[in-house]
Amino acid sequence: AQKVTQAQTEISVVEKEDVTLDCVYETRDTTYYLFWYKQPPSGELVFLIRRNSFDEQNEISGRYSWNFQKSTSSFNFTITASQVVDSAVYFCALSLTPYSGNTPLVFGKGTRLSVIA
Amino acid sequence: DAGVIQSPRHEVTEMGQEVTLRCKPISGHDYLFWYRQTMMRGLELLIYFNNNVPIDDSGMPEDRFSAKMPNASFSTLKIQPSEPRDSAVYFCASSPGQLSTDTQYFGPGTRLTVL
Repeated sequence: AQKVTQAQTEISVVEKEDVTLDCVYETRDTTYYLFWYKQPPSGELVFLIRRNSFDEQNEISGRYSWNFQKSTSSFNFTITASQVVDSAVYFCALSLTPYSGNTPLVFGKGTRLSVIA
Repeated sequence: DAGVIQSPRHEVTEMGQEVTLRCKPISGHDYLFWYRQTMMRGLELLIYFNNNVPIDDSGMPEDRFSAKMPNASFSTLKIQPSEPRDSAVYFCASSPGQLSTDTQYFGPGTRLTVL
């Protein structure tokens, strides 16, 4: 069975601190996609990143970076110099085919990040 | 381009009433997904469609739930009769289903409260 675990239920940091959100996944498939979504207080789900199982290069986008390690089945998300606007619930998700639009996402339970000014 | 559109955004109803949630996917997307978000269970799939055909409805909790996609631009999720435990946020998502752009894009959700 496929499973995504986000062990951190809630994290609170002071503005400008760096914070890492952990994600561990389980799947027997060799081909899969991993995702991060952000859910701000307004409630919508905002796509942040997609990474396929054959690409272990880290990715950086502004203050966001992602570290994918197949050896530990982890896909961690780091926010550098956090800001109050980063306060949200962050979800890690897994899908199981190269064409990830074909199958549903399996979500972790989410990590609620609070950035305090 | 307009994103996924869901209506209503909020729905309050009484137990036993019929509830219909609506979704308009992004134009050109072949896949449509219905998810439900609750505090206890998190985000979970209810059903999804490919080219208007239901592919997997194993997540639909009971016969009280039904979903249809009569055409490529419209889907409904119906609950009849509704129960308090159905209170949740219901998300619709769509995806092109093509390799290069296969991310699922979510609507704003419908917050359902069953009294």
